[in-house]
Amino acid sequence: EILMTQSPATLSVSPGERATLSCRASQSVSTNLAWYQQKAGQAPRLLIYGASTRATGISARFSGSGSGTEFTLTISSLQSEDFAVYYCQQYNNWPPLTFGGGTKVQIK
Amino acid sequence: QVQLMQSGAEVKKPGASVRVSCKTSGYTFNSRGISWVRQAPGQGLEWMGRINPFNGVTNYAQKFQARLTLTTDASTSTVYMELRSLTSDDTAVYYCTRGGFYDSSGPFDPWGQGTLVTVSS
Repeated sequence: EILMTQSPATLSVSPGERATLSCRASQSVSTNLAWYQQKAGQAPRLLIYGASTRATGISARFSGSGSGTEFTLTISSLQSEDFAVYYCQQYNNWPPLTFGGGTKVQIK
Repeated sequence: QVQLMQSGAEVKKPGASVRVSCKTSGYTFNSRGISWVRQAPGQGLEWMGRINPFNGVTNYAQKFQARLTLTTDASTSTVYMELRSLTSDDTAVYYCTRGGFYDSSGPFDPWGQGTLVTVSS
C-alpha cells in the first residue's frame, strides 16, 4: 500500500498571499496524483489530476507540480473561497487507492 | 452534465447492514468505474472499493473485503454499496465518485453529495 503524507497539517495564510501545500508518496506514483478541495459540509472537488493538469472549471490560481514521490499544490493568491481542506490522492498503484491526511488552509 | 445522486441518510443499529445507492447520469454508465469513499466525523478520506460496471469486476480495500459488496443495476445506471456487520466505527459520510475508464482507476470526478450513515444503539 502506498502511503501519502501531506504537510503541513494546517496552514495559516492571509488573503492574497500564496499557499504551498506538499504531498509525499512512500514510493513512486509517477504523475498519477490528484488534488481535491473539500469545504465544510460539502463533497470533495477535483482540482488537479496528472499532478499538474487543472480540472475543468478550476481557476488558474491553482497549480500542481511534481512527479515520483514529491508533489506540490500552489494557490497563487488566496481568495476567501479557497479556505478549505486539501487532499492529495495517488491512483498509480491500486488497490488500494490512497489519500493523504489533508491540509487545512485557514485564514491568518 | 455528469451527476451522481445518492440515497438519503441512514440510522442503523450495531450488527445491522446498510445499503446506499448512487444513481448516475450524464455519461455512458458502463464506461467508467465507480468508487466508494467514506469520511468519519472530523477525519480524512478513506477509499473502500471500486466496481467496473462494464464487467462487474470489483476491488475492495483489505479492511472491508469481508463485509463490503458493490453491485450495479445497468437498467437504472445505479451503483449500490452494502456494508454489513456495522459498528459505531462505521459512522461516517459515504461518497460515491466516478473514476477512470474501464480498468483505469483515474482521478475521481465528480462526487455524489454524500450519505450520512449513523450507527448507534
